[in-house]
Amino acid sequence: QQQVKQSPQSLIVQKGGISIINCAYENTAFDYFPWYQQFPGKGPALLIAIRPDVSEKKEGRFTISFNKSAKQFSLHIMDSQPGDSATYFCAAKYSGAGSYQLTFGKGTKLSVIP
Amino acid sequence: DTGVSQDPRHKITKRGQNVTFRCDPISEHNRLYWYRQTLGQGPEFLTYFQNEAQLEKSRLLSDRFSAERPKGSFSTLEIQRTEQGDSAMYLCASSSPDLIASEQYFGPGTRLTVT
Repeated sequence: QQQVKQSPQSLIVQKGGISIINCAYENTAFDYFPWYQQFPGKGPALLIAIRPDVSEKKEGRFTISFNKSAKQFSLHIMDSQPGDSATYFCAAKYSGAGSYQLTFGKGTKLSVIP
Repeated sequence: DTGVSQDPRHKITKRGQNVTFRCDPISEHNRLYWYRQTLGQGPEFLTYFQNEAQLEKSRLLSDRFSAERPKGSFSTLEIQRTEQGDSAMYLCASSSPDLIASEQYFGPGTRLTVT
């Protein structure tokens, strides 16, 4: 059972454009939604995260939009740069007692072309 | 550097051999996690430690896998009688003791290849 569905699988964006990656979750108990960036051969790096009490969070060129009723959240990368080329993972977590694991989507490979 | 470190970074072993990986978390973090990542997939949770106690285990953690964190600092993950299906990146993450904070910080991973 895939609890976090991520799309698209791959994305090609021109330099300066907006990259948009979408995720949908099933478990309504999830209350923490981070995005990770992973370069080849490296571990995932925490990029930005949101909780359900806000609909949007922005950090620099990265914005998370969250729609609780639709159980969806998305990552927007503004002014995309070639250095943003990486695989991006959304994840979700339930913060209740006894559960600390992150459930990840399958990832989106982003290529930003000059 | 005070990030999560893992050793070794790469391990090639023959099927049937035992392997052990080490993870050193960020120094003030008392929570430690192991994940496994196969090619083209997101990380999958294996197990979680709070201090030295192993509090959560995934059903992915078969009886060939064992993890320890004897003094609540570094952790080891051992795989016995390795199989080709064990080939993956093994990731360690840690997080702070803050009850509200959920941020998990990952290490660089150990790439296991079973031949």
